[in-house]
Amino acid sequence: EAGVAQSPRYKIIEKRQSVAFWCNPISGHATLYWYQQILGQGPKLLIQFQNNGVVDDSQLPKDRFSAERLKGVDSTLKIQPAKLEDSAVYLCASKPIQETQYFGPGTRLLVL
Amino acid sequence: GQQLNQSPQSMFIQEGEDVSMNCTSSSIFNTWLWYKQDPGEGPVLLIALYKAGELTSNGRLTAQFGITRKDSFLNISASIPSDVGIYFCAGQRGSNYKLTFGKGTLLTVNP
Repeated sequence: EAGVAQSPRYKIIEKRQSVAFWCNPISGHATLYWYQQILGQGPKLLIQFQNNGVVDDSQLPKDRFSAERLKGVDSTLKIQPAKLEDSAVYLCASKPIQETQYFGPGTRLLVL
Repeated sequence: GQQLNQSPQSMFIQEGEDVSMNCTSSSIFNTWLWYKQDPGEGPVLLIALYKAGELTSNGRLTAQFGITRKDSFLNISASIPSDVGIYFCAGQRGSNYKLTFGKGTLLTVNP
């Protein structure tokens, strides 16, 4: 079974630029999560989707972050404009019903 | 947002030694999970605990769900070099299975 796919794996941008990350969850997983993991910390949930609907986006900085999952499969996370403190690993995870989450390899973002 | 109190922050041990790490919270969780994260990869689930008092093993790993539902520990016996990595505890609550993570324990094993 293929795992959660993410791209790109690495991204370097300058502050105030825009960036987008892509996630393809495990086939059949209805729930999709985006996490932000700052160096030395555990992952922090940004947004949770159930199919193409948002379940929880309470910790998403909505002034600059946005995410969508239009067809209930792939998802994109966008930052516009980026700040220095957005440098982190962005992890995507997916989950089938009543099981635990499976994580992708992450996208490492460095904002200069 | 809340994060769990995980300790120790880091450990440096000799190959063959046992290691223990724990996680505490001020809030109750319905499920405790332990993940391992290797450099450049996402977290991988090691053990999931679903009932207070539950003791579960996975090879050389043993984890327990605290009676109060506010803590959990993970033991690794007879460590080997490939055990190196960052270990995270995570608590899960609510109908949407939201996870709250600890800050991680960095384990280094000296061959």
